[in-house]
Amino acid sequence: AQSVTQLDSHVSVSEGTPVLLRCNYSSSYSPSLFWYVQHPNKGLQLLLKYTSAATLVKGINGFEAEFKKSETSFHLTKPSAHMSDAAEYFCVVRNYGNNRLAFGKGNQVVVIP
Amino acid sequence: NAGVTQTPKFQVLKTGQSMTLQCAQDMNHEYMSWYRQDPGMGLRLIHYSVGAGITDQGEVPNGYNVSRSTTEDFPLRLLSAAPSQTSVYFCASSKGDLSGANVLTFGAGSRLTVL
Repeated sequence: AQSVTQLDSHVSVSEGTPVLLRCNYSSSYSPSLFWYVQHPNKGLQLLLKYTSAATLVKGINGFEAEFKKSETSFHLTKPSAHMSDAAEYFCVVRNYGNNRLAFGKGNQVVVIP
Repeated sequence: NAGVTQTPKFQVLKTGQSMTLQCAQDMNHEYMSWYRQDPGMGLRLIHYSVGAGITDQGEVPNGYNVSRSTTEDFPLRLLSAAPSQTSVYFCASSKGDLSGANVLTFGAGSRLTVL
């Protein structure tokens, strides 16, 4: 079954500096990959998705992610962090066997003024 | 357009009590699901449904029942609550099933505490 690994459960960044959240996946097939964001006391919201089109995917709020098959990675980046980016971020892969989603354990991002 | 609506937002139960978490969506989505979120564990699938009258188990179904009598509603029932069911529960829906990278729309969550 497909799975994802997110290291660094807590990430602190200064406002205005780049954000990098790492995601590595395991999949026997060409995967569908997603990043979701969860703001405090809210439901999850889709940031972006990769579905075998362009390897560089642009999402909402200035985020983007690059699919690298050779590295089995789908890292999320943003050039300049904003206070409103403080949230939890989940990397997700779709399991082709049963179409279920496998969620990573999440990255809690803190933005320091 | 309300999206996915969950009620209640907060609930405290005693061990052994029963309750139902409600989920309704107004987007005519075929697929609906329930997840639980526990610290450091991401989201885990409890039950899901691909259409009215069809339900199936996810990875952590024990202690929970579901039914899907209409396209709009997908309630989650706890028949005899246990402290291990203390969690935040999310209902999510999608147009079609999850093939073709259809995305989930999530509700705001229901925080359940079992004493």
